[in-house]
Amino acid sequence: DARVTQTPRHKVTEMGQEVTMRCQPILGHNTVFWYRQTMMQGLELLAYFRNRAPLDDSGMPKDRFSAEMPDATLATLKIQPSEPRDSAVYFCASGLGTVLGYTFGSGTRLTVV
Amino acid sequence: TQLLEQSPQFLSIQEGENLTVYCNSSSVFSSLQWYRQEPGEGPVLLVTVVTGGEVKKLKRLTFQFGDARKDSSLHITAAQPGDTGLYLCAGATSGTYKYIFGTGTRLKVLA
Repeated sequence: DARVTQTPRHKVTEMGQEVTMRCQPILGHNTVFWYRQTMMQGLELLAYFRNRAPLDDSGMPKDRFSAEMPDATLATLKIQPSEPRDSAVYFCASGLGTVLGYTFGSGTRLTVV
Repeated sequence: TQLLEQSPQFLSIQEGENLTVYCNSSSVFSSLQWYRQEPGEGPVLLVTVVTGGEVKKLKRLTFQFGDARKDSSLHITAAQPGDTGLYLCAGATSGTYKYIFGTGTRLKVLA
């Protein structure tokens, strides 16, 4: 089965450090989402891309977060500087931008201490 | 900001019982999806509904989209321990495929 690959699976970092999370979408998928999941807030949409162009990143704290798709096989989410409140599971999902839906990766569990 | 409220938040039932989970909003959605998420994994798509009043069945799961496309329900018949997980609805408004997720229903089915 085709899958969305996220790395790393787990990351523990100190406050103030830069964190980069990576996502390899399913080959051929032209729409990529980044979500953040916490117990308190649930799944929040951070950013989404269509054909590598950012369509909406209004859910993302702009001062410290950035999302890019340097090519069709890689999406990145960076946090600089990281803060303890950024601790969460970050999910990437890809799809064809249709009602057929999206496939999620297994997530990156980030802990900022 | 569109908001999707799910109820109940938590549900613990015995194997063999039936249950219904609700997803409500004041916004109109062009499409609505249901996902199930297990611990340590990402959500997995169960179904997408796009037409008001639409009913879809997936084995023991029945999904309904409200006539006004503002709400949806998921009914599970004869629940099994394998149905345990976090159930999430997600809606997209007209012209977009940007899905906003509901608050989630955590289901536990006891053997």
